[in-house]
Amino acid sequence: GENVEQHPSTLSVQEGDSAVIKCTYSDSASNYFPWYKQELGKRPQLIIDIRSNVGEKKDQRIAVTLNKTAKHFSLHITETQPEDSAVYFCAAREYNTDKLIFGTGTRLQVFP
Amino acid sequence: NAGVTQTPKFQVLKTGQSMTLQCAQDMNHEYMSWYRQDPGMGLRLIHYSVGAGITDQGEVPNGYNVSRSTTEDFPLRLLSAAPSQTSVYFCASSWTDNNSPLHFGNGTRLTVT
Repeated sequence: GENVEQHPSTLSVQEGDSAVIKCTYSDSASNYFPWYKQELGKRPQLIIDIRSNVGEKKDQRIAVTLNKTAKHFSLHITETQPEDSAVYFCAAREYNTDKLIFGTGTRLQVFP
Repeated sequence: NAGVTQTPKFQVLKTGQSMTLQCAQDMNHEYMSWYRQDPGMGLRLIHYSVGAGITDQGEVPNGYNVSRSTTEDFPLRLLSAAPSQTSVYFCASSWTDNNSPLHFGNGTRLTVT
């Protein structure tokens, strides 16, 4: 089955700097890769996703890149703000089961 | 449109007790799933369902049962609670096409003493 690894587990940046979180997956047939943001005590919320036929997607300060050959994908946040502080999860959807398997999360802290 | 509704929000059980965590969605999603969230472990899939009458195991199914008698409801049963099941539980649903994002409920915080 699918296995997703996520790094780093914690990330501290200064406000205005960029943050990058990386994930790798094991099943080459997986074809959908979402990213979720979870604030303290709240549920995970989708922030961006990418399909396997696309190499990059941007939404304002957030971008995701996908390298299918290497089986890794990354979240890029530019011009970080204190409200970006949260736990971020990557995930990969198994093609033949619809199961969404998550990474272990990255706690991002943005210092003013 | 309430989305995904979980009850209760908090629960304390004694070891050996049983209980059912409720999950309902009103979006007519075929796919429903249960995750548990523990510090440093991320979101781990317990059980999932791709439609009424169909359920399957996820990454950590032991100690939990599920059923899917209707499209809307997907209850999670703990038959004999153990302290290792202390966790935050999230129910989530989506369409079954591969482009559909997962919608989460607000979670149930369970403590087993």
